[in-house]
Amino acid sequence: QSALTQPASVSGSPGQSITISCTGTSSDVGTYNYVSWYQQYPGKAPKLIIYEVSNRPSGVSNRFSGSKSGYTASLTISGLQAEDEADYYCNSYTSRHTYVFGTGTEVTVL
Amino acid sequence: QVQLVQSGAEVKKPGASVKLSCKTSGYTFTNYHIHWVRQAPGQRLEWMGIIKVGAGSTLYAQKFQGSVTMTRDTSTNTVYMELSSLGSEDTAVYYCAREGESTFYFDHWGQGTLVTVSS
Repeated sequence: QSALTQPASVSGSPGQSITISCTGTSSDVGTYNYVSWYQQYPGKAPKLIIYEVSNRPSGVSNRFSGSKSGYTASLTISGLQAEDEADYYCNSYTSRHTYVFGTGTEVTVL
Repeated sequence: QVQLVQSGAEVKKPGASVKLSCKTSGYTFTNYHIHWVRQAPGQRLEWMGIIKVGAGSTLYAQKFQGSVTMTRDTSTNTVYMELSSLGSEDTAVYYCAREGESTFYFDHWGQGTLVTVSS
């Protein structure tokens, strides 16, 4: 199972909005609405920020939102803040009942 | 509160095996699945497999079939992951993560265990 494709890096200024894409195939993102997103700071465990494409867990800022179109899921961070500087990974359930992560995106706040 | 506490760092020689633990608390152990995810230095997250704790059934990523074994001990609410025939490419931080039954996402994670494979 190949990794889902994400841009290696995305940057933005404080207050701006950025979007991270996550492209899969008909075996994962294109078929299932079981796409989740994780935020990871250096040396720390990942943290769930979006599940089932667009749902936010309790306690996660509403500046994070998710969507999906076809084979591509997207994570948008609005009102970018310094604390959003981290790595972001998408994940999808697959037709083999397995899971696959994206290649990861480093977000830089300018 | 939900906690997943992993065992400490390991240093192993090539060809050896390693068995990591993930001790859980704060929820009904058998109502959730546990996944194992690894991350090599500077690399992406990589899904290794799942153990459905209630049934004890497992499913591994194709890459790890034959080299990984996931088990659980319902008396101590602990999940184990054993990886055999270690090579330098297995040097990574290994995470356990919880999934609610058929929820398809990982809502709580352990702190990670660094495994270093070196001669």
